[in-house]
Amino acid sequence: ETGVTQTPRHLVMGMTNKKSLKCEQHLGHNAMYWYKQSAKKPLELMFVYSLEERVENNSVPSRFSPECPNSSHLFLHLHTLQPEDSALYLCASSQDWSIASQPQHFGDGTRLSIL
Amino acid sequence: TQLLEQSPQFLSIQEGENLTVYCNSSSVFSSLQWYRQEPGEGPVLLVTVVTGGEVKKLKRLTFQFGDARKDSSLHITAAQPGDTGLYLCAVSFRLGNEKLTFGTGTRLTIIP
Repeated sequence: ETGVTQTPRHLVMGMTNKKSLKCEQHLGHNAMYWYKQSAKKPLELMFVYSLEERVENNSVPSRFSPECPNSSHLFLHLHTLQPEDSALYLCASSQDWSIASQPQHFGDGTRLSIL
Repeated sequence: TQLLEQSPQFLSIQEGENLTVYCNSSSVFSSLQWYRQEPGEGPVLLVTVVTGGEVKKLKRLTFQFGDARKDSSLHITAAQPGDTGLYLCAVSFRLGNEKLTFGTGTRLTIIP
């Protein structure tokens, strides 16, 4: 139990569907992150939120839309995805996004498959 | 783009053997972390190093941060099946840009 919970664990969707990934952290952290993990590629940082404000957007296509309603919850809204978007999507949290040496606590991810 | 190389990409050894995996870049790091990711789970932090030349031990795992702050190694003594997993290094390349850059990982399998 890492203190970061992601739902759903698995998601299969068509290219025209709309779905959302959810992340919740119970650690009292101020920063939350979305990462994409594809086979044979490094973890790619997608978005960073600090105290509910987006502080990093790594040139992610607009078909991915993040939302952070409070410091404990993070969503990733998905719309009109492409087959190459199939991957493991990981959520993480840390105490302070501006200090990289602080540990990041990861959820177990959502395995997304686009048909 | 600053890249982080990990080697070997795959490693499969017998239980009880020793092994070393590496993390290298052409650029200086301000800090470095090692994570282990088991199948079906997210990465879990093993250690953070911030000082060049630093050595940290965690039971049978020894982590070293290179003097030039461009490389790191992870040595496992007497490997056990529970050590199986994907080992990821993650670095911050400079203060003021605190984003973590991850390597592609070393997938380690320990054969009982």
